[in-house]
Amino acid sequence: GNSVTQMEGPVTLSEEAFLTINCTYTATGYPSLFWYVQYPGEGLQLLLKATKADDKGSNKGFEATYRKETTSFHLEKGSVQVSDSAVYFCALSTNDYKLSFGAGTTVTVRA
Amino acid sequence: GAVVSQHPSWVICKSGTSVKIECRSLDFQATTMFWYRQFPKQSLMLMATSNEGSKATYEQGVEKDKFLINHASLTLSTLTVTSAHPEDSSFYICSARPLRTSGYNNEQFFGPGTRLTVL
Repeated sequence: GNSVTQMEGPVTLSEEAFLTINCTYTATGYPSLFWYVQYPGEGLQLLLKATKADDKGSNKGFEATYRKETTSFHLEKGSVQVSDSAVYFCALSTNDYKLSFGAGTTVTVRA
Repeated sequence: GAVVSQHPSWVICKSGTSVKIECRSLDFQATTMFWYRQFPKQSLMLMATSNEGSKATYEQGVEKDKFLINHASLTLSTLTVTSAHPEDSSFYICSARPLRTSGYNNEQFFGPGTRLTVL
């Protein structure tokens, strides 16, 4: 079956620090990969996605590259801000559009 | 655009009662809606897939007689937790997938969630 494993948190950083959240997956077929973000008190929002190997998704300074050889989709941001404090979920979907989520990583950025 | 609402945002009920949660796509029509459950500090677990005008498809281990799903229109799906018990207390989240012709490229949009507490 499909599964997603992501780095356990919580992660606490200072502003302008580099952020990496590791994500690896197991899937049958060729999944699409996603990062969702959940800000306090809000619903999940799509942050970025990649639909095939070697694709790079990017948004709001965040990037993730679909690595088929290592079955990974690590999230990175070069300089975080306080407003990036949120819970980040790695997810995948296959042809049926069902999403399988990782456990979520809570990120707190301090000024 | 692409806003999904849930009502209520939180509910407290007594054990044995039933609770209905609504999920609405406000500015688009949804082919499919999904219902998830999230326990504290854990990930979202898919409960069921709901297609307009047809029966919901439940994931393994989810009791369909306990979690009744109705998808009566392209903008509304409801989840009814029947005879709720304290172990049903959780955060319930829905998502909606727009019609293929909407131009949203198969993306799903999530509601803000409903916190259910069963006493």
